[in-house]
Amino acid sequence: AQSVTQPDIHITVSEGASLELRCNYSYGATPYLFWYVQSPGQGLQLLLKYFSGDTLVQGIKGFEAEFKRSQSSFNLRKPSVHWSDAAEYFCAVGAGGNEKLTFGTGTRLTIIP
Amino acid sequence: SAVISQKPSRDICQRGTSLTIQCQVDSQVTMMFWYRQQPGQSLTLIATANQGSEATYESGFVIDKFPISRPNLTFSTLTVSNMSPEDSSIYLCSVGQGSSGYTFGSGTRLTVV
Repeated sequence: AQSVTQPDIHITVSEGASLELRCNYSYGATPYLFWYVQSPGQGLQLLLKYFSGDTLVQGIKGFEAEFKRSQSSFNLRKPSVHWSDAAEYFCAVGAGGNEKLTFGTGTRLTIIP
Repeated sequence: SAVISQKPSRDICQRGTSLTIQCQVDSQVTMMFWYRQQPGQSLTLIATANQGSEATYESGFVIDKFPISRPNLTFSTLTVSNMSPEDSSIYLCSVGQGSSGYTFGSGTRLTVV
């Protein structure tokens, strides 16, 4: 069965500092991997996705993620966070198309001035 | 990618009543997925709805409590039946589109009093 682990429940980062959110997955085949962001009271917004090809994926809002098959990881990074990045971040794995998405438990990001 | 219109966006309901949530997609899709997000939690898949057949429910979810209809390739409904305060959650529909990833509705924020 597929699963996603986000080991950090809550991360606090100073504005302007770099960020890395961890995600590990378990999947029997080549995974489709996603990062979503959810601001308070808002819906889910797709930050980026990985299906194949270049293992370093660029997304919106200056985010990037790197797929490492040997480590079963898909960590999200941003070189310099902004106060508006404070939100809940979800990593998800699926097979695409007609298969379900499985979400991690989420990481809540707090930005301090 | 597809655009999903989900209604209602929010509702406050009395315990013991039922609420039907609708999702309309602007293109034909084979599978639609229904998720629940309890307060402060991640997204959990309720069921997968395929047009022309009964929905497939995940462990812990039953048809009597969450009946789903999928009358055509662009529309689905989820009913939350005999509601209790524990059903207070955000409910989201989603469609998968191969390499385009997954699109989510804006969610229905349900409060049961």
